[in-house]
Order: sequence, then C-alpha cells, then structure tokens
Amino acid sequence: EAGVTQFPSHSVIEKGQTVTLRCDPISGHDNLYWYRRVMGKEIKFLLHFVKESKQDESGMPNNRFLAERTGGTYSTLKVQPAELEDSGVYFCASSQVGFYGYTFGSGTRLTVV
Amino acid sequence: GDSVTQMEGPVTLSEEAFLTINCTYTATGYPSLFWYVQYPGEGLQLLLKATKADDKGSNKGFEATYRKETTSFHLEKGSVQVSDSAVYFCALSGGKAAGNKLTFGGGTRVLVKP
Repeated sequence: EAGVTQFPSHSVIEKGQTVTLRCDPISGHDNLYWYRRVMGKEIKFLLHFVKESKQDESGMPNNRFLAERTGGTYSTLKVQPAELEDSGVYFCASSQVGFYGYTFGSGTRLTVV
Repeated sequence: GDSVTQMEGPVTLSEEAFLTINCTYTATGYPSLFWYVQYPGEGLQLLLKATKADDKGSNKGFEATYRKETTSFHLEKGSVQVSDSAVYFCALSGGKAAGNKLTFGGGTRVLVKP
C-alpha cells in the first residue's frame, strides 16, 4: 500500500507569508495526526483528526495555524502569517481506528526567513 | 503531564560497538512505549514497542525492555553498523483514552563510523 505522503518536502518562505502543507494519509485510515519538531527539539503533537472531525487540537500553538481535513481524506495545515519560530519539520501520521500503530510521512521541512 | 527524557547526542561509535540510548518517562496510568528511528532524508519509522511492564520489544537487532519500577525503556544493540546511523526517538502513548497521542523525547543522533 502507498504510505503517508506529505508535500512539499521543503518550503522556504519569508516571515509574514502564508504556507500550506498537505498530508495524504493511507487510504482507509480514519485517524490523522500532525506533529512538528522545532529547532532540533522534541517532536510535539499538534492535532488529531478522526475522519473530518478534529478530535484533539490541544497542541496547536496559536491561531495562526489552521488545519483542515476535507471529506476525511487529505489534510492541510496552513500557517498564516508565518513567523520565524514556525521553522521546523512538520510530520503527518495516520492509523486505522482501533489499530495501535501509526505510519508517519517523511515530513515537510519549513524554513521561515 | 506526560514527558519523555532521553540522553542527548550526538553519540559517535565505531562499527560493531555496543549502543545504549537511555530513556526515562513520566506518565499517569500505564503507557505504551516506543522507539522510533529517522534515517537521513526519511520519515519516522517505528523501530520497536512494548505495551506493558516487563515486555521486551525487539527489531533489527535492537532491544528495549519496559521497566515500570525504574520508568525506563533503554534502547540497546550489541553490534552497530554504519547503516544504523540515524536519529532515535523514545516515545510514549497513553492509549485510546489519550487518542493514541504520542509524547516524544528530544531525539538522540547516532553516528556509526566504519
């Protein structure tokens, strides 16, 4: 089966611009998670979708971040406006309901200059 | 809240050396414990896991034992190869009640030299 796909793989934007990251989960996986690793620190949870509903968005840092999941399929994470501290690697993961393991994507490296 | 602490790297080893990466955790209840690995240019891959106390997870020559009494899940490999060079992350999950959300440690970069 195809894995979790994220794009772009890299993005360099200027402070104040908008960036949209996309994640295509494994087909049939209802759970979708976003995580990020900032400045070589620990990977932190951002939010969790079950199908198209946000189950837990407690990790979203502020209202500059907006996540959506259209029709319970792919998800986007928009940062508007981007700030320097948003630089890092954003990971997406998916899993089946009731199944314990995640599959992670390769991540999007975001650099805000 | 839940937290994971793992030794900082980088850890530099020669091929065939013994590798240990320490990981300790703080959590309520009975979490499941994981080691993930990120090879250069790739995403996170599950290396091994343990879901209850005294369980031993193993994969690709790596092992880790869930020690509840010391709240630890140290990763070990007896003889590393150059291909083991990667960043290793220890993580825990509070299970379904926590939405299977993962809490990660800071990662340990391992470099194996020939």
